[in-house]
Amino acid sequence: DAKTTQPTSMDCAEGRAANLPCNHSTISGNEYVYWYRQIHSQGPQYIIHGLKNNETNEMASLIITEDRKSSTLILPHATLRDTAVYYCIVRATFNAGGTSYGKLTFGQGTILTVHP
Amino acid sequence: GAVVSQHPSWVICKSGTSVKIECRSLDFQATTMFWYRQFPKQSLMLMATSNEGSKATYEQGVEKDKFLINHASLTLSTLTVTSAHPEDSSFYICSARAMLRDGLTKNIQYFGAGTRLSVL
Repeated sequence: DAKTTQPTSMDCAEGRAANLPCNHSTISGNEYVYWYRQIHSQGPQYIIHGLKNNETNEMASLIITEDRKSSTLILPHATLRDTAVYYCIVRATFNAGGTSYGKLTFGQGTILTVHP
Repeated sequence: GAVVSQHPSWVICKSGTSVKIECRSLDFQATTMFWYRQFPKQSLMLMATSNEGSKATYEQGVEKDKFLINHASLTLSTLTVTSAHPEDSSFYICSARAMLRDGLTKNIQYFGAGTRLSVL
């Protein structure tokens, strides 16, 4: 799976949008971009994923560049509870005889701190 | 989202004993489950992938005889740490893969809350 590069840490003011960048310049055509976050001492939480189109759900928006070499996770109105480590992961997902393959490999992620 | 339940959330054991951790997918069937380990201030590291009804696939460097994985049903996988030692103290996290209805080419892994193991 392609490697990702994320800033080590970021700060954001409560109520403002948090924009978390991710570089995945070696991504290949069948690889999706996934975002997870991990709040201290808990298991990772799925946020969003996408292939090439921008995606939005109740938690966040995912903006993927046209060349797919980078993406940005947007938390539109950050709260103190959004303080966590955010992981950007690319993973191949394809069918082989009806079974999908691909595993999530976690990097170091971005420590997002939302302050009052 | 789908719910993955992991039990126990916290366990302390004596060196040399075995500890079993359960992972259940509560509202979906999971043909594939994953076990991760996380040491303090480090990222998650995949230990093994288990498919229902077959033997688990272990990552390089993970001792299969020490970390026994059983995935006997579509909703339950267990990890047994055999003859635990202090160096096995860690945060163990399971994950289950759920397929979306819109096709097999998309899938999401959901994670349990983790089990903190302390071996004395």
